[in-house]
Amino acid sequence: QKEVEQDPGPLSVPEGAIVSLNCTYSNSAFQYFMWYRQYSRKGPELLMYTYSSGNKEDGRFTAQVDKSSKYISLFIRDSQPSDSATYLCAMENQAGTALIFGKGTTLSVSS
Amino acid sequence: DVKVTQSSRYLVKRTGEKVFLECVQDMDHENMFWYRQDPGLGLRLIYFSYDVKMKEKGDIPEGYSVSREKKERFSLILESASTNQTSMYLCASSRGSRLTYTDTQYFGPGTRLTVL
Repeated sequence: QKEVEQDPGPLSVPEGAIVSLNCTYSNSAFQYFMWYRQYSRKGPELLMYTYSSGNKEDGRFTAQVDKSSKYISLFIRDSQPSDSATYLCAMENQAGTALIFGKGTTLSVSS
Repeated sequence: DVKVTQSSRYLVKRTGEKVFLECVQDMDHENMFWYRQDPGLGLRLIYFSYDVKMKEKGDIPEGYSVSREKKERFSLILESASTNQTSMYLCASSRGSRLTYTDTQYFGPGTRLTVL
């Protein structure tokens, strides 16, 4: 079983839709969880950062961690065409020495 | 504003050539990283460095080496390029310390390397 699993999509939604992006992980010791956004032909940039379980909200974005299920989610409300990008989940490995990235989910929001 | 720059956006090399990819950050960050990104495989860590002249192997170091002579600069070297090293190469840096390497990583724009 891979340490981090993420459905690559692609995911296509109309403008204004609520988007749910998800990752599962295998190591219950992971505590730091991140979502990066990567636009085409650009490097990833940090979008959200959460520690342990719970929710974190930033504008239209909500990151959710369910440690009991080893499942993390990113919700995008009122999605916009500018949200079209690849979204990568990432988490700190148990040793605290590196980030483990999911493969990324490609999202397309049409106007 | 945070900035990580990479020497080339696109690079085409021939099999067997020695290839240097340069990365510079202007944030006085301790940690620097080299990843490659391939469709269906995601981001994979090649090497990282938490201090000048220090380096650690990542998940896929074979065929690569690195150099960090100055804090702001981290070079990735392909000693003898092969076609399976055709990929997008991304450099990143983070503030970090020796105890944790996972402060926010800031990425450069990437170098798309094609090896013919």
